[in-house]
Amino acid sequence: TQLLEQSPQFLSIQEGENLTVYCNSSSVFSSLQWYRQEPGEGPVLLVTVVTGGEVKKLKRLTFQFGDARKDSSLHITAAQPGDTGLYLCADTGTASKLTFGTGTRLQVTL
Amino acid sequence: SQTIHQWPATLVQPVGSPLSLECTVEGTSNPNLYWYRQAAGRGLQLLFYSVGIGQISSEVPQNLSASRPQDRQFILSSKKLLLSDSGFYLCAWTRGATNEKLFFGSGTQLSVL
Repeated sequence: TQLLEQSPQFLSIQEGENLTVYCNSSSVFSSLQWYRQEPGEGPVLLVTVVTGGEVKKLKRLTFQFGDARKDSSLHITAAQPGDTGLYLCADTGTASKLTFGTGTRLQVTL
Repeated sequence: SQTIHQWPATLVQPVGSPLSLECTVEGTSNPNLYWYRQAAGRGLQLLFYSVGIGQISSEVPQNLSASRPQDRQFILSSKKLLLSDSGFYLCAWTRGATNEKLFFGSGTQLSVL
């Protein structure tokens, strides 16, 4: 059974700071997706990365996929209160099933 | 455009009572459908998924069951709820293609007392 560990579990920072969260898998990812979830809502897809070493940018968010495709990081520059939420990584896997990580809860305060 | 509806948003049930959560998808056909459960502030655990009418795969042995009576309808049920069934339940769908993203419903917060 694949295990996806995310770190840190919880992060509280002030507006304007930079941060990085991590996702590590016990096995090679099929492909990796990052989602953000706000309280009381379902997760929303941010990005999909497929190729080892791939880097994608989404405004202030930078996503990196490890060369060995077993880890990923999400870096946020100049965090804003709107970035607050639960960040989840997921392996798209096989047989139409996604496996989700343990999540990182981010709180950005003014 | 496609939409997913999940209800109710909040549910409080006594231990031993039955459960029925319903999810419907509009604007697409033959979607893959999923039920996930989420503990407070944590990751999602896949409970059931379905690639077609009447086809249900269970991921975790438990007190729950799922059914897909129609192409775009997915139901999560229990005959007798346990305290441990409390949690945030999310329905989701994909088109089933490689690397497809999941589209989630807004979730049901279930409290079993």
